[in-house]
Amino acid sequence: GNSVTQMEGPVTLSEEAFLTINCTYTATGYPSLFWYVQYPGEGLQLLLKATKADDKGSNKGFEATYRKETTSFHLEKGSVQVSDSAVYFCARGSASKIIFGSGTRLSIRP
Amino acid sequence: DAGVIQSPRHEVTEMGQEVTLRCKPISGHNSLFWYRQTMMRGLELLIYFNNNVPIDDSGMPEDRFSAKMPNASFSTLKIQPSEPRDSAVYFCASRPNDGDEKLFFGSGTQLSVL
Repeated sequence: GNSVTQMEGPVTLSEEAFLTINCTYTATGYPSLFWYVQYPGEGLQLLLKATKADDKGSNKGFEATYRKETTSFHLEKGSVQVSDSAVYFCARGSASKIIFGSGTRLSIRP
Repeated sequence: DAGVIQSPRHEVTEMGQEVTLRCKPISGHNSLFWYRQTMMRGLELLIYFNNNVPIDDSGMPEDRFSAKMPNASFSTLKIQPSEPRDSAVYFCASRPNDGDEKLFFGSGTQLSVL
């Protein structure tokens, strides 16, 4: 089937640590891939996206590369900040819909 | 631009009551989505509309749930009768057109059914 699987949280890191949140997908064809972020009390907002294999999406120091061979779209950031504390959702396009993973809660300690 | 506007922000009701959630999409957006978020099930797509027409309602849990979009600037999600297991955050999102996959989310309605 078509689905998105991401690493379970919560993830707790110290400020300036390196972040990786894993995401894999199953799909027929080559869907667009996304990372959305949800700050406390708010709706989701798009963080970055990639539309084809080997594309790298980037925004606010976050990056993710569309890996067709491993069907992955892992989110990375070299040095996290307290303000990055949020829930991160991996997602894929699917016939005009967006299918989301279960979300990963990230907490950054000062 | 005010963004996607949802009301109410919080709703507390008793089991068996009717609940109506409201959404105003961003002006000019052609597609509208209703999602439900719970700890157990994550973010689930309930239904989406394109040009006010329901395209896919396969995520609607059961007949107690219904959604309408009478015009391009307004949609409702109704639960009748409500049950405690309906407690969740309900999000509305809109999108400029069917070919653009970026969604714009509202702030959600926190529903508690006692």
